[in-house]
Amino acid sequence: NAGVTQTPKFRILKIGQSMTLQCTQDMNHNYMYWYRQDPGMGLKLIYYSVGAGITDKGEVPNGYNVSRSTTEDFPLRLELAAPSQTSVYFCASSPRTGVNTEAFFGQGTRLTVV
Amino acid sequence: QKEVEQNSGPLSVPEGAIASLNCTYSDRGSQSFFWYRQYSGKSPELIMFIYSNGDKEDGRFTAQLNKASQYVSLLIRDSQPSDSATYLCAVKRTGDDKIIFGKGTRLHILP
Repeated sequence: NAGVTQTPKFRILKIGQSMTLQCTQDMNHNYMYWYRQDPGMGLKLIYYSVGAGITDKGEVPNGYNVSRSTTEDFPLRLELAAPSQTSVYFCASSPRTGVNTEAFFGQGTRLTVV
Repeated sequence: QKEVEQNSGPLSVPEGAIASLNCTYSDRGSQSFFWYRQYSGKSPELIMFIYSNGDKEDGRFTAQLNKASQYVSLLIRDSQPSDSATYLCAVKRTGDDKIIFGKGTRLHILP
């Protein structure tokens, strides 16, 4: 059971380039989340999804886009990369709504924009 | 006011002592509360969750929730050097199911 898998693990991007961070989970979880974590800081919610075809903005959505065409996949798209998007990106999934359902995290993608 | 607030630390605690980590939240309707531990360069991993007022114990860890005061805490008994990490408080909001994290508290256990 792989859990939540993110690719790539590391990436250096030039200013103005675009890329897609991949996230897939094999636990049949309905809920999926994208967070970014800046050095020494907590996690900030970028986008989340409660099921295939449904996405919503989090705390810091500007500069990002997401899609959720399947239950398993939740890619994060960066358009026109900026140095401010240098961060570690974590994808997470959660099985269902309810009070005792935590988020399971992928191993993260470290992105540097130069 | 931030949704989830934590003291960023670092909090230094002698080995064998009790470490106390605190978190406050602003959304009174929040129902689920989580404590995650994160080692440097690693993903967050769940330590405990709590959703009822009172205490919940799991081994050396005790989570405490006071919804009236909008306060959740984590106690670590018999602290070990391996407990040195950043501890993230997270709150799951009702209605939209967003999971919002605090900035985390860095904990150092002194040998």
